[in-house]
Amino acid sequence: GDSVTQMEGPVTLSEEAFLTINCTYTATGYPSLFWYVQYPGEGLQLLLKATKADDKGSNKGFEATYRKETTSFHLEKGSVQVSDSAVYFCALIPNRDDKIIFGKGTRLHILP
Amino acid sequence: GAVVSQHPSWVICKSGTSVKIECRSLDFQATTMFWYRQFPKQSLMLMATSNEGSKATYEQGVEKDKFLINHASLTLSTLTVTSAHPEDSSFYICSARRGGGKTQYFGPGTRLLVL
Repeated sequence: GDSVTQMEGPVTLSEEAFLTINCTYTATGYPSLFWYVQYPGEGLQLLLKATKADDKGSNKGFEATYRKETTSFHLEKGSVQVSDSAVYFCALIPNRDDKIIFGKGTRLHILP
Repeated sequence: GAVVSQHPSWVICKSGTSVKIECRSLDFQATTMFWYRQFPKQSLMLMATSNEGSKATYEQGVEKDKFLINHASLTLSTLTVTSAHPEDSSFYICSARRGGGKTQYFGPGTRLLVL
């Protein structure tokens, strides 16, 4: 079945470091891909999305590119801030379904 | 745009009582809403999918008589936890989707504690 695999955390970085959180997926066709962020005690916020191959989603300095050939959607940010500390979920929605499939989440800690 | 609210954000109740959680799409019409449950340090678990004006579709293992879902309008869905017990204590999150789109927009969550 369809699935999402993302790197396990926690990931700890210093402020201004470069961030990559890996995400790969298994799905038929061209699913829609998403990154959501969850701050402590809160719900999920849509960070960015991409709906077709080679699309790049971007928001708040974060970027991810839909790579069909490697079935990946890695999240990157050039210079992280303490306020980026949160849990990040990679997710997909298959072509012919409504249900969102989440990865297990990656907890990110940014040290000042 | 695409703001989803939940009410209440926190609720503490006694075992055996029922609790209603509201999920509202504030600036768009949501043809479909989803209810999730999240355990500490885990991902979200889909409980049910509700479409406006029809019965909810529950995931396997979710008791429909325990978790009553009503989607009476295009901006409101409610989840009622009936005869709540301590094991129902959890973080409940809803999401809403516009008609014709795939993206789900999530509410801020409701933390339920059953004593």
